[in-house]
Amino acid sequence: AQRVTQPEKLLSVFKGAPVELKCNYSYSGSPELFWYVQYSRQRLQLLLRHISRESIKGFTADLNKGETSFHLKKPFAQEEDSAMYYCALTEGEKLTFGTGTRLTIIP
Amino acid sequence: DVKVTQSSRYLVKRTGEKVFLECVQDMDHENMFWYRQDPGLGLRLIYFSYDVKMKEKGDIPEGYSVSREKKERFSLILESASTNQTSMYLCASSRQVRQPQHFGDGTRLSIL
Repeated sequence: AQRVTQPEKLLSVFKGAPVELKCNYSYSGSPELFWYVQYSRQRLQLLLRHISRESIKGFTADLNKGETSFHLKKPFAQEEDSAMYYCALTEGEKLTFGTGTRLTIIP
Repeated sequence: DVKVTQSSRYLVKRTGEKVFLECVQDMDHENMFWYRQDPGLGLRLIYFSYDVKMKEKGDIPEGYSVSREKKERFSLILESASTNQTSMYLCASSRQVRQPQHFGDGTRLSIL
């Protein structure tokens, strides 16, 4: 069975400080992992996926198979980063989401 | 850009009613999905479809059914609405398996 854990429901960070949103997964196969973001009054959208190794809006995420983690990081938080963030794991047709972390950037 | 359109942003229904939520995508995607989004629970998959007239149960299918008569349209049906089905419902589509999913704006459904 797939399982995605986001241990923090709420996270507050000062503007300009580093951000780390934690995601751990439990899966025996070869995982494909994503981060999705939902800004206020907007639809849920893809932020990044691990196979692309891109940096989107300054965010990066590295897949650590040894620790089964896919933490989302940004060196300097901006006010527009305030949003709901979901980590997700896929194998086959299904996508399993974590419970989400609401990130608030304090001006 | 992919467009996933859900027919209603807000919907209020009464217990026992049969409720239809409609979703249309315009990018010829093979796969379509219905989720419900609840605070503290994240997104949970109700049903998905990987082809016309095909459907698969997700993690929480009880009390729901779906219909996919055309490739672009995926309907979620609450057979007999109950108050515990009050939630935000999200539709999504993807071109192929393991590809990113594109979401609609959601339908906030209240069952009174």
